[in-house]
Amino acid sequence: NAGVMQNPRHLVRRRGQEARLRCSPMKGHSHVYWYRQLPEEGLKFMVYLQKENIIDESGMPKERFSAEFPKEGPSILRIQQVVRGDSAAYFCASSTYPAEAGNTIYFGEGSWLTVV
Amino acid sequence: DQQVKQNSPSLSVQEGRISILNCDYTNSMFDYFLWYKKYPAEGPTFLISISSIKDKNEDGRFTVFLNKSAKHLSLHIVPSQPGDSAVYFCAASVALRGEKLTFGTGTRLTIIP
Repeated sequence: NAGVMQNPRHLVRRRGQEARLRCSPMKGHSHVYWYRQLPEEGLKFMVYLQKENIIDESGMPKERFSAEFPKEGPSILRIQQVVRGDSAAYFCASSTYPAEAGNTIYFGEGSWLTVV
Repeated sequence: DQQVKQNSPSLSVQEGRISILNCDYTNSMFDYFLWYKKYPAEGPTFLISISSIKDKNEDGRFTVFLNKSAKHLSLHIVPSQPGDSAVYFCAASVALRGEKLTFGTGTRLTIIP
């Protein structure tokens, strides 16, 4: 887990507010992945980004969710108008190259979103 | 549709004995399998993996077995140590799509001293 930094670690939002989760990949990594873990479930793939490009967003909900990975700065996962069902742990991961079957992906410690 | 299943939510094992964690999958396109270990409030950490061209991979105390015909894999930890207490996730991917892992729901392993 060393090196992939996520913040905030814990975030509480009221229904209807916006949540922004940040991820700084490991030094030298230009590929970022976001996963979500709902209570009592496994991690589910959301989106895969390279610098300034979304490569695969097939796991992203169609509405209210967006992600970016700008040329400078961290990757941002943005959730607009949060609802209680968005309460989950959001994990960011990074790799140097497109991950070869997962063993070169390094996960951050997660951001826990609670919607009240 | 849960394509990767870990049917045992929890497992308790005596220290020094063997821990066996099981995982089943339904998608025949999966050809790479991984085990991750996760402590509370931390991210998953890669443990060991196996390609579908093999039926066994060993790394120290950890061995993963793959039975393709049964679509089943297992993780053996021997001897089990207190530090092994964690949640273990099985994950699978299709070749060249390593960024898109499909995870099981996890098994909480408790090692009893």
